[in-house]
Amino acid sequence: GENVEQHPSTLSVQEGDSAVIKCTYSDSASNYFPWYKQELGKRPQLIIDIRSNVGEKKDQRIAVTLNKTAKHFSLHITETQPEDSAVYFCAACRVLTGGGNKLTFGTGTQLKVEL
Amino acid sequence: DADVTQTPRNRITKTGKRIMLECSQTKGHDRMYWYRQDPGLGLRLIYYSFDVKDINKGEISDGYSVSRQAQAKFSLSLESAIPNQTALYFCATSAKGQGAFQPQHFGDGTRLSIL
Repeated sequence: GENVEQHPSTLSVQEGDSAVIKCTYSDSASNYFPWYKQELGKRPQLIIDIRSNVGEKKDQRIAVTLNKTAKHFSLHITETQPEDSAVYFCAACRVLTGGGNKLTFGTGTQLKVEL
Repeated sequence: DADVTQTPRNRITKTGKRIMLECSQTKGHDRMYWYRQDPGLGLRLIYYSFDVKDINKGEISDGYSVSRQAQAKFSLSLESAIPNQTALYFCATSAKGQGAFQPQHFGDGTRLSIL
């Protein structure tokens, strides 16, 4: 089955700096890579995703890059703000016959943005 | 999204008890999923369902069962709870999509403690 590794497990940055979280996956059939943000005590929420036929996607201060050959993908947050503090999860997704999808999550990165 | 509702939100129970966690949704989605979240392990898939009466095992289904008797409801049962099932449980839903990734939307979670 799919295996997703995520690093680092904790990340502390100063407000205004950039943060980068990296993930690797094992199943070459995975074709969709979402990122979820989970604030303390709340549900995971999708913040950005990328398909396997795209190398980079950007949405305001967040961007995701994908290297399909190396099976790496990364989340980049620029100009970090205190409200970016949360746990971030990467996931690899394989679309299943019948149209559903099966997500395998990384183990999460606790991001802390310090003032 | 308040339209994926989990009950109860918190539950404390004893080893050996039978427990049912409920998930209901008003999003009209066909696909429903149950995950458990443990510190340092991310979210792991327990069971998923593509339609009423359709049940599929995830990566950690042992000790759990599910029921999908209506499109809007997906229940998770622990037949005889044990302490290592103490975790935060999330229900998620996604729309039907042929060959395309459909984002999964999570409920607020159920925090389950087994003594």
